[in-house]
Amino acid sequence: DAKTTQPPSMDCAEGRAANLPCNHSTISGNEYVYWYRQIHSQGPQYIIHGLKNNETNEMASLIITEDRKSSTLILPHATLRDTAVYYCIVISGWAGSYQLTFGKGTKLSVIP
Amino acid sequence: EAGVAQSPRYKIIEKRQSVAFWCNPISGHATLYWYQQILGQGPKLLIQFQNNGVVDDSQLPKDRFSAERLKGVDSTLKIQPAKLEDSAVYLCASSVGSGNTIYFGEGSWLTVV
Repeated sequence: DAKTTQPPSMDCAEGRAANLPCNHSTISGNEYVYWYRQIHSQGPQYIIHGLKNNETNEMASLIITEDRKSSTLILPHATLRDTAVYYCIVISGWAGSYQLTFGKGTKLSVIP
Repeated sequence: EAGVAQSPRYKIIEKRQSVAFWCNPISGHATLYWYQQILGQGPKLLIQFQNNGVVDDSQLPKDRFSAERLKGVDSTLKIQPAKLEDSAVYLCASSVGSGNTIYFGEGSWLTVV
């Protein structure tokens, strides 16, 4: 699976959009980009995933560049409850080895 | 829909003792995972089951860790004997099948003293 690079930490003002970048320059054609977050003392929570097209759900939007070498997770109106560690993970679409390999993620702090 | 259930939530044991964690995945989920998360690090996969068969246990320290999923539903993870470095959160996760979105439980916090 392709390796990802994320900034170790970011701050965002409450009510503003939080844009979390992820670099995955070695991604291959059948690999998906997944985003999870982990709020303190809780298990990782699934946010969103995509292959090529941009995706949006009730939690966030995922923007994947045309060359697929990077992506951005957007939380449109960050709240204090969005303070968490955000993990960007690339995994192969081969069903036999579908596993999440976590890096260190980005610690997002939402500031009042 | 009920999520992944884990118990106990917290456990403190002395080194060389044994401990067992239980996981009940989301109903209908055939794939089950156990992860270990040491403080300050991301979760690390220990073992993956597909129904009651092991798909990958390459990162499970088999000299002290064991896991089973006898009827393809609930699973237990056992550590015997425990070491200080086993202090971590043990996360269970499940998915409908390999290739589908993976959902995590709240984790079982282990402290070995």
